Amino acid sequence: GAGVSQSPSNKVTEKGKDVELRCDPISGHTALYWYRQSLGQGLEFLIYFQGNSAPDKSGLPSDRFSAERTGGSVSTLTIQRTQQEDSAVYLCASSLNRNTEAFFGQGTRLTVV
Amino acid sequence: SQQGEEDPQALSIQEGENATMNCSYKTSINNLQWYRQNSGRGLVHLILIRSNEREKHSGRLRVTLDTSKKSSSLLITASRAADTASYFCATVPSSGTYKYIFGTGTRLKVLA
Repeated sequence: GAGVSQSPSNKVTEKGKDVELRCDPISGHTALYWYRQSLGQGLEFLIYFQGNSAPDKSGLPSDRFSAERTGGSVSTLTIQRTQQEDSAVYLCASSLNRNTEAFFGQGTRLTVV
Repeated sequence: SQQGEEDPQALSIQEGENATMNCSYKTSINNLQWYRQNSGRGLVHLILIRSNEREKHSGRLRVTLDTSKKSSSLLITASRAADTASYFCATVPSSGTYKYIFGTGTRLKVLA
């Protein structure tokens, strides 16, 4: 596609429910990243996929968070048993390699009520 | 924390003035990048400077990199109201996984 696409754009969920956030990266980009940004804060790294290598999950805040990338393309970030502190904008990005810029989607604004 | 830090956290200037933002980081890097964010959503890439480069220009943007001090600066010349945004630096480590490590950001406000 022309850019990184994320869906949904906004998601309101009840505390305790599971949510799935989707990211469709730019075609041909081998690297895919998930970040989280709370209001007025910087970007918190969550997880990084590079080709067929094992993902770097070092940023996932708890075992309620998981992500997968199928076929080296689309990625899904799943948050189980959502809590109010999970409310944030979840940003996905992709890049060709480490020597190039990352392209970001518009993010999913998650609100847990 | 691996997160870099930027200063100032917030900057308010008049249109036409120059804006300078600084970024400090902790690890050895492959490259450093600057991004802009409007309205708390997607980030837009501005400029990339490699670890063996000291200065780079793009339009009204000038970036410097001092790897000995682990710091970088972004200068926006002749600022415009449309430059109002948050600006983030991101570093790519020279070893390990190639995740981008973002700074805390500078909120720039350009007054017309």
